[in-house]
Amino acid sequence: AQTVTQSQPEMSVQEAETVTLSCTYDTSESDYYLFWYKQPPSRQMILVIRQEAYKQQNATENRFSVNFQKAAKSFSLKISDSQLGDAAMYFCAYVGGFGNEKLTFGTGTRLTIIP
Amino acid sequence: GAVVSQHPSRVICKSGTSVKIECRSLDFQATTMFWYRQFPKQSLMLMATSNEGSKATYEQGVEKDKFLINHASLTLSTLTVTSAHPEDSSFYICSARGGFGNQPQHFGDGTRLSIL
Repeated sequence: AQTVTQSQPEMSVQEAETVTLSCTYDTSESDYYLFWYKQPPSRQMILVIRQEAYKQQNATENRFSVNFQKAAKSFSLKISDSQLGDAAMYFCAYVGGFGNEKLTFGTGTRLTIIP
Repeated sequence: GAVVSQHPSRVICKSGTSVKIECRSLDFQATTMFWYRQFPKQSLMLMATSNEGSKATYEQGVEKDKFLINHASLTLSTLTVTSAHPEDSSFYICSARGGFGNQPQHFGDGTRLSIL
């Protein structure tokens, strides 16, 4: 079974600074997809970024980028120029690529932005 | 694009009542919908997966007679909590996905259910 581990329950960063949230996963599959979701206090789950395992290039979405290390099974999220609106719970998630439908979530990292 | 609407956002009702929660994909066809439950300060726990026109697949430990799921169309799934009790109080979130497993799930805003 796949597992997703987020070892940082809480993180904080000064506004405008950069922060990196870590995520590791365990799988025997070669084809899979990884996601970062954000859950602000409103509790809506918002897709932040997505990475296909077969792509070597790290995904980026504006201020959000990932460092995908397939061999190490690591998938960290970097937030640049942190803003107050980035404060949220961040969940790393995995889904297998061969018709496997279920998302496996990590336990989440609560990110606080210090003004 | 990829908007999922979930209603109601908040329900407060008496013990023994049945509560229906709707999940709609507004601008795409959702071949698969998912229902999650989230306890305070915890991650999402998958309850069941439903594909349009077929019976839902429940996760181990989830009572299918307690949590009835219907996915009658490509844009609508409903979760009915039957004869709800205080221990059913929780935050329930649906998600919807078009296409295959590699497509991201798009989430509704969630429903906070409080059983008195």
